[in-house]
Amino acid sequence: NAGVTQTPKFRILKIGQSMTLQCAQDMNHNYMYWYRQDPGMGLKLIYYSVGAGITDKGEVPNGYNVSRSTTEDFPLRLELAAPSQTSVYFCASSGTADGYTFGSGTRLTVV
Amino acid sequence: QKEVEQNSGPLSVPEGAIASLNCTYSDRGSQSFFWYRQYSGKSPELIMFIYSNGDKEDGRFTAQLNKASQYVSLLIRDSQPSDSATYLCAGGSNDYKLSFGAGTTVTVRA
Repeated sequence: NAGVTQTPKFRILKIGQSMTLQCAQDMNHNYMYWYRQDPGMGLKLIYYSVGAGITDKGEVPNGYNVSRSTTEDFPLRLELAAPSQTSVYFCASSGTADGYTFGSGTRLTVV
Repeated sequence: QKEVEQNSGPLSVPEGAIASLNCTYSDRGSQSFFWYRQYSGKSPELIMFIYSNGDKEDGRFTAQLNKASQYVSLLIRDSQPSDSATYLCAGGSNDYKLSFGAGTTVTVRA
């Protein structure tokens, strides 16, 4: 099984540019999440989804948007990139309360 | 804001010793707790989860939960160089969202 697939793995954006981070899972999980991880700061929840068509904000949603049109896909949109969005982004999914499966991450630098 | 705090690191232990990692949480509604291991440049991977007060053992790992004290710990017995990583504690309630601590970096000295 592929599990959770994230693309791209690395990206450099210029300030003000936009991009979409892709996330797909093949485990038929209802729950999907986007986290960002800054050095020494742990993982912060950006957005999450409890099923297709349902999304909600996490702790740090400003500057991001999501959609969930299918069970499998949960893309994260960055509009007007800012240096503060330089981070490592992880997508995760879960089908039960027994923890998440994480993707391999996207390392984003905004210059 | 649900907060999860981990004991400050880094933690350095000799090979074969016990590494002890601690975590406290502020939300009394938290019901499930998780320990993830994250190697440098990699994504977190689940080591253990615990829901009930007491101890839970899986191989060389033992998780301990004390809900009255709002305290979770992870013991790594017979530590190996391959255990060198950052360990993340996470807590969740019935909304399927996890709050993560900042992590404790463990180095096992050969």
